[in-house]
Amino acid sequence: KQEVTQIPAALSVPEGENLVLNCSFTDSAIYNLQWFRQDPGKGLTSLLLIQSSQREQTSGRLNASLDKSSGRSTLYIAASQPGDSATYLCAVEEAGTALIFGKGTTLSVSS
Amino acid sequence: DAGITQSPRHKVTETGTPVTLRCHQTENHRYMYWYRQDPGHGLRLIHYSYGVKDTDKGEVSDGYSVSRSKTEDFLLTLESATSSQTSVYFCAISEAGELFFGEGSRLTVL
Repeated sequence: KQEVTQIPAALSVPEGENLVLNCSFTDSAIYNLQWFRQDPGKGLTSLLLIQSSQREQTSGRLNASLDKSSGRSTLYIAASQPGDSATYLCAVEEAGTALIFGKGTTLSVSS
Repeated sequence: DAGITQSPRHKVTETGTPVTLRCHQTENHRYMYWYRQDPGHGLRLIHYSYGVKDTDKGEVSDGYSVSRSKTEDFLLTLESATSSQTSVYFCAISEAGELFFGEGSRLTVL
């Protein structure tokens, strides 16, 4: 059974710092991996989708990488801002199933 | 904006009563999903649909049923609500493999 793990569960950084969020999964036979952001009391906002054939995707200050063979993905956030404070979730899609989610990393960026 | 609307957004009910949550989409997406989100468990799939009248169970489907009689509406029903079903429920649609979520429905079962 696929399991998705995100470490650390919480992270605090000062404004301007570059940071990396980690996501690992147990079964490498995935279709794609998706990163989401969730603000308190809100729904999930899709940040980046990486297809299984891709190594990385970029959007603005965000860069997500995927290494299927090692079962890992990272979300790199450059020059963090207080507005980046949120919970970040990763999820993987396998054949014949819907997305399987990690429990998220809660990021706090202080000004 | 994927055009997803969930209703009601907040509901308080009593144990044993039936509850129906509605997910409405405006863009004719084929795949729709219901998830629940709980502290310590994250997001877990309840049911999903891959077309009108085509639905399947997810990881935590016990105590829930779904219906999809029209492309735009996906209904989640709790036939007899229990306190363990207190949660935040999210509807999602899939577009080219990417999931987009609604704002959620917070359900409290007393």
